[in-house]
Amino acid sequence: SYELTQPPSVSVSPGQTASITCSGHKLGEKYASWYQQKPGQSPVLVIYQDNKRPSGIPERFSGSNSGNTATLTISGTQAMDEGDYYCQAWDSSTAYVFGTGTKVTVL
Amino acid sequence: EVQLVESGGKLVQPGGSLRLSCAASGFTFNSYAMSWVRQAPGKGLEWVSTISGSGGSTYHADSVKGRFTISRDNSKNTLYLQMNRLRAEDTAVYYCAKVVVAATISGSQYHFDYWGQGTLVTVSS
Repeated sequence: SYELTQPPSVSVSPGQTASITCSGHKLGEKYASWYQQKPGQSPVLVIYQDNKRPSGIPERFSGSNSGNTATLTISGTQAMDEGDYYCQAWDSSTAYVFGTGTKVTVL
Repeated sequence: EVQLVESGGKLVQPGGSLRLSCAASGFTFNSYAMSWVRQAPGKGLEWVSTISGSGGSTYHADSVKGRFTISRDNSKNTLYLQMNRLRAEDTAVYYCAKVVVAATISGSQYHFDYWGQGTLVTVSS
């Protein structure tokens, strides 16, 4: 079955750049999406099709995907960006696959 | 505005049954596939089931295959999840989510653009 691996946690200072990686076999041949989930809330789509932002998502969120790794980058990180982030891709044998999740802490 | 509102979650005994509902509004319901995604307490997201816009095709994760059934009533703009033979490991918040498809050179790719607020299912004696 297809798997996506993320670092358990990422810490970043306010105003700095946070990068969250998502690794999977030939992930670059698929589309990667990213979801933000704050405590007690539902997931929110922040990046889809590798690097597209839904309406209402700040420009500081960006994405890339190549080889075996997709990356979500948060530039000028703000305290409101704290939460859990999950990558997701679709695989023909496993269907919808979520990453293991990364907790972003803004120190 | 897209809205997805789940209901039906509650405490149920192991081996019991439950039906979840998700009322959708703000988009042409029968034009989109819909899914259920769950999240066990303190854990990550896990895809459960997906149904096509017409309801003619359904897909289930191996962990629920043979026990859960996804369905929809397009006349009522409502998605359902019938859960039978429930186990303790089915305890989770269940979200309904709207599916978006994108065509790529290597085939179709899917993601979720809207999620409901979730409904908690607790399986315990």
